[in-house]
Amino acid sequence: DAKTTQPTSMDCAEGRAANLPCNHSTISGNEYVYWYRQIHSQGPQYIIHGLKNNETNEMASLIITEDRKSSTLILPHATLRDTAVYYCIVTGNYGQNFVFGPGTRLSVLP
Amino acid sequence: ETGVTQTPRHLVMGMTNKKSLKCEQHLGHNAMYWYKQSAKKPLELMFVYNFKEQTENNSVPSRFSPECPNSSHLFLHLHTLQPEDSALYLCASSQESAGPRSTQYFGPGTRLLVL
Repeated sequence: DAKTTQPTSMDCAEGRAANLPCNHSTISGNEYVYWYRQIHSQGPQYIIHGLKNNETNEMASLIITEDRKSSTLILPHATLRDTAVYYCIVTGNYGQNFVFGPGTRLSVLP
Repeated sequence: ETGVTQTPRHLVMGMTNKKSLKCEQHLGHNAMYWYKQSAKKPLELMFVYNFKEQTENNSVPSRFSPECPNSSHLFLHLHTLQPEDSALYLCASSQESAGPRSTQYFGPGTRLLVL
């Protein structure tokens, strides 16, 4: 499975866009990029996933570079409730089993 | 509310006790998972079930015994645990265990304390 690298922590001002980067330089053609977040002591929450194209849903946008070696999760208007640990995960070939790393701790500041 | 429920939400047990964790999913999924999250550590996959059959055991000690009677229910039976087994135990489900429909949805977890 491809390994991901994320910054340990980031801050973002409330109401501004939060841009969370993820490097996955060893990703292969059939591997998906998934993003989850975990608010303190709760179960991880699915945010978004993609293969090659950029994706958008009601929570966030996912921008994947053309070479697929990195991606960015964008929360367009961060709120205090977006404070959480964000995990970028590259699934195995054919999408099986997730490997969670330490993630990025995002703090949204008032 | 993700459609995955776990009971109990909190559990305190002694090292000689036997207890069970329960997970139920209301999403019509075919794959279910147990994860362990120790303090300040990433989630660790423990077991995977696909159509009620165990497809992965991630070198988990035998004092943890999973059971999957049907695609909607998953149990984790606990016996003779150690204090280092204290952790948040998370259940997840997905429509399929591989491929484009393998997005996992997590329950709220059971916080376990072993004394």
